[in-house]
Amino acid sequence: QSALTQPASVSGSPGQSITISCTGTSSDVGAYNYVSWYQQHPGKAPKVMIYEVSNRPSGVSNRFSGSKSDNTASLTISGLQAEDEADYYCSSYTRSTTWVFGGGTKLTVL
Amino acid sequence: QVQLVESGGGVVQPGGSLRLSCAASGFTFSNSGMHWVRQAPGKGLEWVSFIMYDGSEEHYADSVKGRFIISRDSPKNTLYLEVSSLRPEDTAVYYCVKGAFWGFVSWGQGTLVTVSS
Repeated sequence: QSALTQPASVSGSPGQSITISCTGTSSDVGAYNYVSWYQQHPGKAPKVMIYEVSNRPSGVSNRFSGSKSDNTASLTISGLQAEDEADYYCSSYTRSTTWVFGGGTKLTVL
Repeated sequence: QVQLVESGGGVVQPGGSLRLSCAASGFTFSNSGMHWVRQAPGKGLEWVSFIMYDGSEEHYADSVKGRFIISRDSPKNTLYLEVSSLRPEDTAVYYCVKGAFWGFVSWGQGTLVTVSS
């Protein structure tokens, strides 16, 4: 049950786009389209931003989008805004009937 | 709307036990799989356990297998996590989460478990 690999930090200026990668294996990210992304502000509970690789829950801005290629999933945030500054985590269902998270990425809006 | 309220956290000595509870409302609890996810202070998220909507299956992370037990009482709309043989590395905020196969739909605010002598 190794954690998925995410960059520790990314940054961007308001209005720019950033992409956060999430690398797993053929036993998790590559096995199913059950990758999801979560936003967490300090002291708050996580909130789902993307599910099943590229679907946005109701109420989530269309500035957030997701994709996947082989064993790597990606979250892209376009038109960066100050309120996007947060920690972001990816997650995947695995062949072992478990779930695994990435280590998290701290997004800084410059 | 979905509401999940955790309770039962606290300070416990190494080797001790606790029972965490999660009161669910705003959705049909008996139709939903449920997870526990934890977050150590200043660290990332770690999936802990999952129980099927009808309690027919339970799954655990290797780090807690044999020490933690997930259960549910659907008539009471309540999820539980019995945590035992606690270690300092189990110190974390424990979140109750409404689940789906793709992951984690709605989160509670969490309850803090501190393992310390």
